[in-house]
Amino acid sequence: QKEVEQNSGPLSVPEGAIASLNCTYSDRGSQSFFWYRQYSGKSPELIMSIYSNGDKEDGRFTAQLNKASQYVSLLIRDSQPSDSATYLCAVRGTSYGKLTFGQGTILTVHP
Amino acid sequence: KAGVTQTPRYLIKTRGQQVTLSCSPISGHRSVSWYQQTPGQGLQFLFEYFSETQRNKGNFPGRFSGRQFSNSRSEMNVSTLELGDSALYLCASSLGLAGGTGELFFGEGSRLTVL
Repeated sequence: QKEVEQNSGPLSVPEGAIASLNCTYSDRGSQSFFWYRQYSGKSPELIMSIYSNGDKEDGRFTAQLNKASQYVSLLIRDSQPSDSATYLCAVRGTSYGKLTFGQGTILTVHP
Repeated sequence: KAGVTQTPRYLIKTRGQQVTLSCSPISGHRSVSWYQQTPGQGLQFLFEYFSETQRNKGNFPGRFSGRQFSNSRSEMNVSTLELGDSALYLCASSLGLAGGTGELFFGEGSRLTVL
């Protein structure tokens, strides 16, 4: 089992729709969860972090965490063409362990 | 404030050679992490350094090594290059050990091609 798995995609949504990106992780002791965005030809950049069960909202982005199910998701509301990118889920293991990334989900928002 | 600087940006090597990649973190950042990115495997963790000490290590063979200097600059070395080592090598810096917040600031990467 991979340490961090994301829905494979690619995911295509129309402009204005909600994009839902999902991630599961294997280390039950993981404490910190992150979503990075990577535009084509660019480096990843952090867009959201979440540490507690529940929802965390930041503008059009909402991160959701369920530690019991070892599941974290990212919702993008009112998707824009500029949101088209690869979204990477990252999980930090216990005791400041390494930050492990999922394979990424390619999101395309079409006008 | 300057970002993370990686050199060289592009390089071509042949099998059996070795390569050294350099990373200068954001000023004040003490942690440097290295990742290998390939289309098939995604971002794979290589190692993390904090205060000149390797704090975490990924599942790569011993041909991959690294170090960090007192000014937080880091280098990674790959010896006896194989075709499969062709990849984008990304360096990321963070303020404290593993960032705590997980906020890694990535450089633009060094793209290595092994022929």
